[in-house]
Amino acid sequence: NAGVMQNPRHLVRRRGQEARLRCSPMKGHSHVYWYRQLPEEGLKFMVYLQKENIIDESGMPKERFSAEFPKEGPSILRIQQVVRGDSAAYFCASSPRGQGVGGNNQPQHFGDGTRLSIL
Amino acid sequence: QKEVEQDPGPLSVPEGAIVSLNCTYSNSAFQYFMWYRQYSRKGPELLMYTYSSGNKEDGRFTAQVDKSSKYISLFIRDSQPSDSATYLCACARNYGQNFVFGPGTRLSVLP
Repeated sequence: NAGVMQNPRHLVRRRGQEARLRCSPMKGHSHVYWYRQLPEEGLKFMVYLQKENIIDESGMPKERFSAEFPKEGPSILRIQQVVRGDSAAYFCASSPRGQGVGGNNQPQHFGDGTRLSIL
Repeated sequence: QKEVEQDPGPLSVPEGAIVSLNCTYSNSAFQYFMWYRQYSRKGPELLMYTYSSGNKEDGRFTAQVDKSSKYISLFIRDSQPSDSATYLCACARNYGQNFVFGPGTRLSVLP
């Protein structure tokens, strides 16, 4: 999974604090996706962003969660006033712009995730 | 009903066996189908992707899609202990857009 960098790898927060998760996409990739993975569950889509735009946030909880992908710098997933239920692994994926069908290009490259634990 | 269903396993097979992993889905609008492998504490790694129905082969891996029955499969030939991982299927309506993942099947290949 070299290329998509997520940090921190592990993050511990107390209830009520804020959590910031960062994702640097692969070089040349302008599309970023955030997923959440709970134990024994598959990845759940949260949000899809391009530079300075949120394209699809249908999987984001309505409150406390926000995401951005600024013109410069990494994409940030921000969780305010964390609760125990926010404990999960959060994965970021990136893909190139305008990728077509066919060929050997991977549609989404994933990072190794940030494991968030809420005390 | 979940959009993508997958038997969570665990599935244990001896080294050299042929492994069959399967998913079913409910949304007939899905056109893109992917299989990812995820090792413990790592991110998912794409193994195969297919568009619409048909077969695709890559080395020891074969992916099959049957859109008429909404059934997708991944076959692993000559399985190795290094294949031990969780295998996730994923479906999408449009290429590059958010994927819907199954819960994953945990596979153990015993030496």
